[in-house]
Amino acid sequence: AQRVTQPEKLLSVFKGAPVELKCNYSYSGSPELFWYVQYSRQRLQLLLRHISRESIKGFTADLNKGETSFHLKKPFAQEEDSAMYYCALSGSNYKLTFGKGTLLTVNP
Amino acid sequence: GAGVSQSPSNKVTEKGKDVELRCDPISGHTALYWYRQSLGQGLEFLIYFQGNSAPDKSGLPSDRFSAERTGGSVSTLTIQRTQQEDSAVYLCASSQGSIGNTIYFGEGSWLTVV
Repeated sequence: AQRVTQPEKLLSVFKGAPVELKCNYSYSGSPELFWYVQYSRQRLQLLLRHISRESIKGFTADLNKGETSFHLKKPFAQEEDSAMYYCALSGSNYKLTFGKGTLLTVNP
Repeated sequence: GAGVSQSPSNKVTEKGKDVELRCDPISGHTALYWYRQSLGQGLEFLIYFQGNSAPDKSGLPSDRFSAERTGGSVSTLTIQRTQQEDSAVYLCASSQGSIGNTIYFGEGSWLTVV
């Protein structure tokens, strides 16, 4: 079975502060990990995935297999980062399992 | 098409009625997913179609829920005898169905059962 846990339902930071959204997963094989974002009144969209090792909008995420984590980080949060963030895992059958999401609010 | 298209975008129905929600995936995408998004519940997996394989129905919450995908393209999610707890946004997504492929979401169908 595959499971994704996002321990924080809500996260509030001030503009310019660092932000870390936590994600832990459970999967017996080699997973693909993703972060999806949903801005207000917009559809859910891919933010980044671990195999690309990319930085999108200043966000990065490193897959830590030892800790089974894929935390999303940004050194300096911006107000436009306020959104719902979902961590997701894809297993060998490509089915995407999501965490329950973290609502990030960046205050001015 | 340019993206995943879902209809209707909004549906209000009376408790006990049946509803059908439609999804048009991106052309050529072999994988199609249905999720349910409820307030405070996050994204709940419902069903997954991949090519000609038997669908993964493990997420369907009850036998009132069913889905089919005709011709490997359009999919319909049917909810029979709707209940108030079925009220949610139903999201469809599609992908090319292999490692590294991005999953694209539709805008969702907002279902309200009164």
